[in-house]
Amino acid sequence: DAGVIQSPRHEVTEMGQEVTLRCKPISGHNSLFWYRQTMMRGLELLIYFNNNVPIDDSGMPEDRFSAKMPNASFSTLKIQPSEPRDSAVYFCASRSPLFGTEAFFGQGTRLTVV
Amino acid sequence: AQTVTQSQPEMSVQEAETVTLSCTYDTSESDYYLFWYKQPPSRQMILVIRQEAYKQQNATENRFSVNFQKAAKSFSLKISDSQLGDAAMYFCACQNNYGQNFVFGPGTRLSVLP
Repeated sequence: DAGVIQSPRHEVTEMGQEVTLRCKPISGHNSLFWYRQTMMRGLELLIYFNNNVPIDDSGMPEDRFSAKMPNASFSTLKIQPSEPRDSAVYFCASRSPLFGTEAFFGQGTRLTVV
Repeated sequence: AQTVTQSQPEMSVQEAETVTLSCTYDTSESDYYLFWYKQPPSRQMILVIRQEAYKQQNATENRFSVNFQKAAKSFSLKISDSQLGDAAMYFCACQNNYGQNFVFGPGTRLSVLP
C-alpha cells in the first residue's frame, strides 16, 4: 500500500480564494483524521470520521472550514474564503479498525495564504 | 476529553548519550493507548513506540523505551545511544480504545550534538 496520500504537497493562494485539500486513506482503514500544525498551536485535531461519518468536528476553527468524506477512499478539507492565518501544514491520517492500532499520516499539505 | 502535555519544548543530547522526554496526559477513559511519534525535518510523522494502558510492562523498541506510570498519568520516552538521525520533533499522543479521539501533545524538539 502506498500509505496515506495527500494532495497537493504545497499550495499558495491569495486571501479570499477557496482552497481544497485532498486525502486518500489507506485501503481498509475506517477512521480518518484531519490535523493542522502551526508553530504557535502545535498539532490540532480538526475533525475525524469513522466509517465516512463525521464524529467530532469541534476542532474546526470556524464556518469557513468544511470537511467531507463521500466514500471510504477519499476526503476533502475545504477553506472558503481563505485567510493568511490559515497558513499551516495540514495533515490527514487514517487508522484501521483493529483495536489499538496507530494512525498513519500523510506527508501533509503546506498551505500559504498571502 | 483527553489532554496531553509535554513540558519540555526543547531538549538536547550528546551523540551516544541517553535522553528522556516527558509526557503527561489526562483522560477519563479506563482503557486507552499511548504513542510517541517522531517528526523529522521531512515533516513525515513516524510512529516510534506504542503502549497499551492495561499492560504494566513498559514497551521497548530497540533503543527506544518508555516509562509508563499509570497512576501518575505519565508516559516518558527514553532514547538510548542517541544518534544524529534521532534529531526531530517528538510528539506524545493518547487514543481512547475506540480510536475516535487521537490527541497530541505540543511536542519536544530534540537536538543531537555530535
